[in-house]
Amino acid sequence: QVQLVESGGGVVQPGGSLRLSCAASGFSLSNFGMHWVRQAPGKGLEWVTFIQYDGSNQYYTDSVSGRFTISRDKSRNTLYLQMNSLKAEDTAVYYCARDSVGGWHFDYWGQGTLVTVSS
Amino acid sequence: QSALTQSRSVSGSPGQSVTISCTGTTSDIGVYNYVSWYQQHPGKAPKLMIYDVSKRPSGVPDRFSGSKSGNTASLIISGLQAEDEADYYCCSYAGGYTRLFGGGTKLTVL
Repeated sequence: QVQLVESGGGVVQPGGSLRLSCAASGFSLSNFGMHWVRQAPGKGLEWVTFIQYDGSNQYYTDSVSGRFTISRDKSRNTLYLQMNSLKAEDTAVYYCARDSVGGWHFDYWGQGTLVTVSS
Repeated sequence: QSALTQSRSVSGSPGQSVTISCTGTTSDIGVYNYVSWYQQHPGKAPKLMIYDVSKRPSGVPDRFSGSKSGNTASLIISGLQAEDEADYYCCSYAGGYTRLFGGGTKLTVL
């Protein structure tokens, strides 16, 4: 069955970097676009970034563009989010989510990993 | 692009029906039939409940339904059950590969 397992969250100082991972099983990342969605403590969901199924294009919300990079390793079937120049407002639970085939919704979600940006 | 607008809370008694609304603009909900709804229990990941405005994934009870009129989408939950108490988020395709979420609605089952 489809499973997404995030890891790599933790506490980091403002201006620091962190790399999140999302290990996929039950399907191949080569066949699906993937997203990162975040949720600040007590707040709503916010779409962060998307990578196309073939890795050819990436898209970012304005607030992270130039600081975050989405990528994937086909051999490991793992999605990544490299986060640089972190700010306090990046504090959130980060979820990876699979893009539906032929649709525009998220059909599977991971359990999330918490990133805290604090001095 | 601004987030979609949802009421902060809604409540109903077991067996009743409730409607959760989500208002966007002519750049998202008003022009695309790609509205989805997600249920989130505390401390858990979101779960897809409705996609493409009114389609239900396998396994989601038919008590959950969706509709759209103009720039506003709605999630209707009939025959409320205690386990339906959760936060609900709408989401719309907004062009390119971007998605917009609503701020979330907390459903309380009285």
